[in-house]
Amino acid sequence: AQTVTQSQPEMSVQEAETVTLSCTYDTSESDYYLFWYKQPPSRQMILVIRQEAYKQQNATENRFSVNFQKAAKSFSLKISDSQLGDAAMYFCAYRSNDMRFGAGTRLTVKP
Amino acid sequence: KAGVTQTPRYLIKTRGQQVTLSCSPISGHRSVSWYQQTPGQGLQFLFEYFSETQRNKGNFPGRFSGRQFSNSRSEMNVSTLELGDSALYLCASSLSGTRDEKLFFGSGTQLSVL
Repeated sequence: AQTVTQSQPEMSVQEAETVTLSCTYDTSESDYYLFWYKQPPSRQMILVIRQEAYKQQNATENRFSVNFQKAAKSFSLKISDSQLGDAAMYFCAYRSNDMRFGAGTRLTVKP
Repeated sequence: KAGVTQTPRYLIKTRGQQVTLSCSPISGHRSVSWYQQTPGQGLQFLFEYFSETQRNKGNFPGRFSGRQFSNSRSEMNVSTLELGDSALYLCASSLSGTRDEKLFFGSGTQLSVL
């Protein structure tokens, strides 16, 4: 069964600094997608970034980038120039047939 | 374009009752999926519907069911409610439900079972 592990329940970063959120997953499949979703206090999940397993190039979306290590089954999210609005729960997710989420990392941004 | 709308936002029920939650996807989206979010179990996939057909189902008991209508709106039903069913229920929609697609989520229905 596919599982997603986020080992950091909470992380904190100073405004304008960089923070990396960790995620590992377990699967025997070769074709899948990985995602990072953000859940602010409004509870509405928002896609931050996605990565196709077949693409070796790491995805980037403005201040957000990933470090995808397929062999190690690792998919970390780097947030550069952190802003107060980045404070939220961040969920790593794996999708093959259905979507599997990690337990989440609560990110606090200090002014 | 209106986002994904879930109703009601909050619901309080007692054990043994049943409940129906509603989800209206973004216009043009034909895939709707449901998730249960609890502090203990995190986010868990319930089921996915596409063009009125259940395409995938998570590991939940038969008390959890759903359906999708011809206008893509979806409902999920939980019968014989248990205390452990207290959770935030999230609905998400996408165009066709392919694995690469971005999911658009609603703000959820917070269900409390007393």
